[in-house]
Amino acid sequence: QKEVEQDPGPLSVPEGAIVSLNCTYSNSAFQYFMWYRQYSRKGPELLMYTYSSGNKEDGRFTAQVDKSSKYISLFIRDSQPSDSATYLCAMRPNRDDKIIFGKGTRLHILP
Amino acid sequence: DAGITQSPRHKVTETGTPVTLRCHQTENHRYMYWYRQDPGHGLRLIHYSYGVKDTDKGEVSDGYSVSRSKTEDFLLTLESATSSQTSVYFCAISERDTTSTDTQYFGPGTRLTVL
Repeated sequence: QKEVEQDPGPLSVPEGAIVSLNCTYSNSAFQYFMWYRQYSRKGPELLMYTYSSGNKEDGRFTAQVDKSSKYISLFIRDSQPSDSATYLCAMRPNRDDKIIFGKGTRLHILP
Repeated sequence: DAGITQSPRHKVTETGTPVTLRCHQTENHRYMYWYRQDPGHGLRLIHYSYGVKDTDKGEVSDGYSVSRSKTEDFLLTLESATSSQTSVYFCAISERDTTSTDTQYFGPGTRLTVL
């Protein structure tokens, strides 16, 4: 079993819809969880950063961590065509550990 | 891109030739990383540095070497490029102190093709 699993997509949704992106993981020691957004031919940029379980909201984005299920989610409300990108989940056990990245989910928001 | 530049941005080279990629930061961050990104594999860590002249290997370090003689510069060298090293290479930086979340910020990437 891979440490971090992420459906590669592509995921196509109409503009204005709520998008749900997910990752599962196998290492119960992971405590720090991140979501990066990567536009085509650009570097990843940090979108959300959470520690341990719970929800974190930032504008239209909500990150959710369920450590009991080893499952993390990113929700995008009122999706826009500019949200079309690849979304990478990432996680690590401690601040000093290397980050493990998911392979990314390609998202297309249809106008 | 958080004050990170990479050069060159694109390079085509032939098998067996040496290649050096440069990462330059203006943030004075202590940690610097080199990743490669390939379809089906995602981002994989090649090498990282935790200070001037202090480096360590990542999960895919074979065939690569690094050097860091100044805080702002981190060089990645392919001693003898192979076609399997065709990839997009990203540099990242982070600052680990007690107040930061130690998130990594990525550069724009270098697209390397080895023929």
